[in-house]
Amino acid sequence: GQNIDQPTEMTATEGAIVQINCTYQTSGFNGLFWYQQHAGEAPTFLSYNVLDGLEEKGRFSSFLSRSKGYSYLLLKELQMKDSASYLCAVRDRDDYKLSFGAGTTVTVRA
Amino acid sequence: DGGITQSPKYLFRKEGQNVTLSCEQNLNHDAMYWYRQDPGQGLRLIYYSQIVNDFQKGDIAEGYSVSREKKESFPLTVTSAQKNPTAFYLCASSSRRGGETQYFGPGTRLLVL
Repeated sequence: GQNIDQPTEMTATEGAIVQINCTYQTSGFNGLFWYQQHAGEAPTFLSYNVLDGLEEKGRFSSFLSRSKGYSYLLLKELQMKDSASYLCAVRDRDDYKLSFGAGTTVTVRA
Repeated sequence: DGGITQSPKYLFRKEGQNVTLSCEQNLNHDAMYWYRQDPGQGLRLIYYSQIVNDFQKGDIAEGYSVSREKKESFPLTVTSAQKNPTAFYLCASSSRRGGETQYFGPGTRLLVL
């Protein structure tokens, strides 16, 4: 099984940078996903890491260290529309199921 | 447009009643999933199916049932045995092989009267 931890809430100012950490303990690892979820809506895919290192996609970047069981999502040049919950999910090596963390609610203030 | 649809958006259940949530996808994905989301908790897997006419229980399958008679459809029935059904239900799909992302439908919010 998987045990996934991420902070419950974070607050940042418009234009700033926020880093959301995710740690996991897993019996078998086959990739880590980050999703964004606005209140009352479906999660939307942001990024996927399966190898160590940094993946950059516009204002969003995601990092993975498999040996440390650690990932972070970096949000740069924060905009008000980035206020949402960010979900970390780990995929199992054997059956490809996803296990989700509880999510981090990011509030962007003007 | 390709995508995943869920209906209805809101559903009300009376005590002792079974209700069925619809999930349809036209992405030609092999795998489909049902999750439940409660406030302050991560998504929890109810059932999943990797191919037509086959499905497996997830972490919280008790009180739920599914069928997979067609590749594009994966309905979820919330039975009267599910004593705490109030939640946000999300359906997702993905290509069967590793490396593919799960994409989510808009969700159904189930409320008990």
